[in-house]
Amino acid sequence: GAGVSQSPSNKVTEKGKDVELRCDPISGHTALYWYRQSLGQGLEFLIYFQGNSAPDKSGLPSDRFSAERTGGSVSTLTIQRTQQEDSAVYLCASSLVGLSSYNSPLHFGNGTRLTVT
Amino acid sequence: GQSLEQPSEVTAVEGAIVQINCTYQTSGFYGLSWYQQHDGGAPTFLSYNGLDGLEETGRFSSFLSRSDSYGYLLLQELQMKDSASYFCAVREGRVTGGGNKLTFGTGTQLKVEL
Repeated sequence: GAGVSQSPSNKVTEKGKDVELRCDPISGHTALYWYRQSLGQGLEFLIYFQGNSAPDKSGLPSDRFSAERTGGSVSTLTIQRTQQEDSAVYLCASSLVGLSSYNSPLHFGNGTRLTVT
Repeated sequence: GQSLEQPSEVTAVEGAIVQINCTYQTSGFYGLSWYQQHDGGAPTFLSYNGLDGLEETGRFSSFLSRSDSYGYLLLQELQMKDSASYFCAVREGRVTGGGNKLTFGTGTQLKVEL
């Protein structure tokens, strides 16, 4: 497809388990983002990858959260030892960034709804 | 720190005009964007202001005043399908310098009534 793809769309897990969320960005987009959105809330920045630069991890809430981006394309967000407060929709977005970029809008996937029981 | 303030909720009638305000305090500023999100859906890009003034795209317009750290989204000829949440977002670094991270506001829920 032409858009950002995320899987799974829904994930229910028990407290203490690890989960992996996957994001497949739009082909050719060099920037990739993870955001978290709790019910009725805004978008909380988690992590940002841009090309081969070191990722901006400043939004990760704890060391239980990590993310990788392999080959400059697919990204995986891993949450270890999940807690109930981790329940939220995890949104991935990608954008095209180039030398002539003035504005590079984010293209979001439909998200993964994570429920920790 | 960084913060973006928006009203939490706005209600208007079909056919009317509504303005959603956004004030921001950020360490850097390289543009204000607006995104729309329908319930259960993904946020989608609406508009961008890098310089002061008004940008118009169909029924939607967006305004920026950098000196006032203020912007707004104007929606005209409201339709029922415009009922959604609207988020302003600030870019704090140069795009080409790897600074395309966006910080989002808390969102404004717009309800359009008959």
